[in-house]
Amino acid sequence: NAGVTQTPKFQVLKTGQSMTLQCAQDMNHEYMSWYRQDPGMGLRLIHYSVGAGITDQGEVPNGYNVSRSTTEDFPLRLLSAAPSQTSVYFCASSPPRTGVFYNEQFFGPGTRLTVL
Amino acid sequence: GNSVTQMEGPVTLSEEAFLTINCTYTATGYPSLFWYVQYPGEGLQLLLKATKADDKGSNKGFEATYRKETTSFHLEKGSVQVSDSAVYFCALTGSSNTGKLIFGQGTTLQVKP
Repeated sequence: NAGVTQTPKFQVLKTGQSMTLQCAQDMNHEYMSWYRQDPGMGLRLIHYSVGAGITDQGEVPNGYNVSRSTTEDFPLRLLSAAPSQTSVYFCASSPPRTGVFYNEQFFGPGTRLTVL
Repeated sequence: GNSVTQMEGPVTLSEEAFLTINCTYTATGYPSLFWYVQYPGEGLQLLLKATKADDKGSNKGFEATYRKETTSFHLEKGSVQVSDSAVYFCALTGSSNTGKLIFGQGTTLQVKP
């Protein structure tokens, strides 16, 4: 299993450009999510999905769009990049809850995005 | 709402020293608690977890006990190694079905030989 894969690893954009960060997992996990990591702020949830065709907003969704057409893929779209979106982006996946127990999330290696 | 607070870093220790990283949380209901580790240039990996009060999670010599009375989940290791140098994140999931993780701000640990 490749686990959770993310592309690209690094990206530089100019303000106003759009792009899509790719995320794929081969573990048949229902739950997928996108986080951004900024210094001193931990990881903050952008969007998440509990299954194909179902998405919802997290803590910091503005400026980002997602869709989930398949179980495997969960792309994150930046509609019009801004310097405030300079960050490291992580995708994660998890199987659904087992009874009352929450299963661990598996993280991808991250995409480092710089917006000039 | 739910939140996690970790001790501020960076924490600098000599090899074989005892490690404690404090983590406290605020949550309704019965959250599950996690410690994740991020090595330089990598994504996060689950280090250990606990799903109910008084549970002790352990892995690679690290331990943490879910203390509901003090709303804490402190990370400890008896003897750290240089290879333990990383950023450590405390996190919780709430009582909803989504399993969303809420993270603390992270604590950087540097172990010197």
